[in-house]
Amino acid sequence: GQQVMQIPQYQHVQEGEDFTTYCNSSTTLSNIQWYKQRPGGHPVFLIQLVKSGEVKKQKRLTFQFGEAKKNSSLHITATQTTDVGTYFCAPSGSARQLTFGSGTQLTVLP
Amino acid sequence: NAGVTQTPKFQVLKTGQSMTLQCAQDMNHEYMSWYRQDPGMGLRLIHYSVGAGITDQGEVPNGYNVSRSTTEDFPLRLLSAAPSQTSVYFCASSYILAGSVNEQFFGPGTRLTVL
Repeated sequence: GQQVMQIPQYQHVQEGEDFTTYCNSSTTLSNIQWYKQRPGGHPVFLIQLVKSGEVKKQKRLTFQFGEAKKNSSLHITATQTTDVGTYFCAPSGSARQLTFGSGTQLTVLP
Repeated sequence: NAGVTQTPKFQVLKTGQSMTLQCAQDMNHEYMSWYRQDPGMGLRLIHYSVGAGITDQGEVPNGYNVSRSTTEDFPLRLLSAAPSQTSVYFCASSYILAGSVNEQFFGPGTRLTVL
């Protein structure tokens, strides 16, 4: 599987502030998936990015895949308390192993 | 559809005991996988399977066995439990498209404590 570094590990924001988490790889990725895990829950799929430079939006969430397909980001605009959880990137290379980044734990303060 | 189901939800074992964590999916997915999640460590891949009769090792396979006799079921066996295997275990399934694993559906997890 592909190894990636995900930063930051923790992020505390005031409700209404923006939030971004980054996923960086030293090698070119085939594609990358993003998941959200609520406290005490299981990971839930958010999106998959496949193309170089791809940008996808889901309401307040914007996902980007770098031009070189070595990095990706998830940006949340105007966070809400419902955004609380840990966000994981899961890159896929040529093998069929889907490994996960270490995650960014988001806390939203009301 | 039930999706991905896991049993049991909680389990306490003594060191040296063996047990099987059950996982089943009803979505006819070819790909199934097992992860363990420790605090601050994210999810680590234990074993995975791309179809019935085919299994392979992930990042942390030692101490675990798997088999895939049917498309639906993918049990994980702990051979001789150790305290280091205390963790939350997630099973997931997906379909494979153009050689890539797609959206993974996760089960609710099994919380295992080894004393």
